[in-house]
Amino acid sequence: GAGVSQTPSNKVTEKGKYVELRCDPISGHTALYWYRQSLGQGPEFLIYFQGTGAADDSGLPNDRFFAVRPEGSVSTLKIQRTERGDSAVYLCASRSSGGQETQYFGPGTRLLVL
Amino acid sequence: GENVEQHPSTLSVQEGDSAVIKCTYSDSASNYFPWYKQELGKRPQLIIDIRSNVGEKKDQRIAVTLNKTAKHFSLHITETQPEDSAVYFCAASKAPNMLTFGGGTRLMVKP
Repeated sequence: GAGVSQTPSNKVTEKGKYVELRCDPISGHTALYWYRQSLGQGPEFLIYFQGTGAADDSGLPNDRFFAVRPEGSVSTLKIQRTERGDSAVYLCASRSSGGQETQYFGPGTRLLVL
Repeated sequence: GENVEQHPSTLSVQEGDSAVIKCTYSDSASNYFPWYKQELGKRPQLIIDIRSNVGEKKDQRIAVTLNKTAKHFSLHITETQPEDSAVYFCAASKAPNMLTFGGGTRLMVKP
């Protein structure tokens, strides 16, 4: 079946602008995670959804970052007043329920803040 | 919170040789340890994982070992091939929570 998809694949914006990044998880996967990967580093956790609710948002760096998953499927990561330091690849992963631990990653959105 | 250290940061081997990448973790409650391979510009892809109730797992040329007492785990790749060249990440988790990743190892397999 189809894997995790993310749009857009690339986003260039100016400092101070608002951006939205979208994640479509694997169909039926109840858990969804957002990570941020800076160049040459491992992914860093941002937020985890179980169904529609955020089970853990401890990785969000500040209140400019917000994520939603209103129907328990598609998720949107929203960044307000973007800063140059927000430039990174934003990765989404999804996981099935029922004791399965494997997280399947999407291709990421490469965000560049000028 | 969890902290994962990964070594070496770069590893160059000759085709056919073995490669070993090592990781340590800090949280003794972590119980799930996956390894991901990431090619340039691509998504991380799971290559093998191990749970805390198992000491070793093997899948063809790839094996992972876990020492819970010492809080370290290792990836072993035998008979390396040029297509094994990529960045490899270890991770630790108190499943089903988030993954904490190591800093990555760039593996280069020279033909």
